[in-house]
Amino acid sequence: SQQGEEDPQALSIQEGENATMNCSYKTSINNLQWYRQNSGRGLVHLILIRSNEREKHSGRLRVTLDTSKKSSSLLITASRAADTASYFCATGEAGNNRKLIWGLGTSLAVNP
Amino acid sequence: NAGVTQTPKFQVLKTGQSMTLQCAQDMNHEYMSWYRQDPGMGLRLIHYSVGAGITDQGEVPNGYNVSRSTTEDFPLRLLSAAPSQTSVYFCASTRRDQNTEAFFGQGTRLTVV
Repeated sequence: SQQGEEDPQALSIQEGENATMNCSYKTSINNLQWYRQNSGRGLVHLILIRSNEREKHSGRLRVTLDTSKKSSSLLITASRAADTASYFCATGEAGNNRKLIWGLGTSLAVNP
Repeated sequence: NAGVTQTPKFQVLKTGQSMTLQCAQDMNHEYMSWYRQDPGMGLRLIHYSVGAGITDQGEVPNGYNVSRSTTEDFPLRLLSAAPSQTSVYFCASTRRDQNTEAFFGQGTRLTVV
């Protein structure tokens, strides 16, 4: 069963704007990861945040994690048309790092 | 490094046919997984392996078999294809360490008619 739920399901913005996507999960986790998928392609890892971290940055990406609310957000700043893709969160469960549990994804469209 | 390589990229099968989707990784990762991705369903785990000779079922294992005779290879076998198995299949590998990312192949788009 899917653990993560991304919100919104779809997001359309203009180039230069910021995009924020949220992910909620249900169980205790070791980490939460964000991946990107371009249409018809494989998933590419963006960023991993551990359960004892609250915020992490990578280039134009900023991820926050609130374990008390079991939620995370991914912020893409100064978006570009090339950021158009689907974004998925995945959680590594505490005590079981053998598999990731995936959300349904947010489809982001960045309009030139 | 090639990373994770899946073959074929596209396949059309008739109902009842069998086939094997190939997955190979050259990163010496211990863990490998097979997922299917359907519209609106996200990624669902079919089978996974924590090392050579060890496999286990995921969420949706029915109709699929796997084996892991080597660290590098993790083939997925469809025993008797059904239209419900029309999907995009992804193989992924990861190190055993906790807090590590997964690497994905480019996917196999399978259509069962």
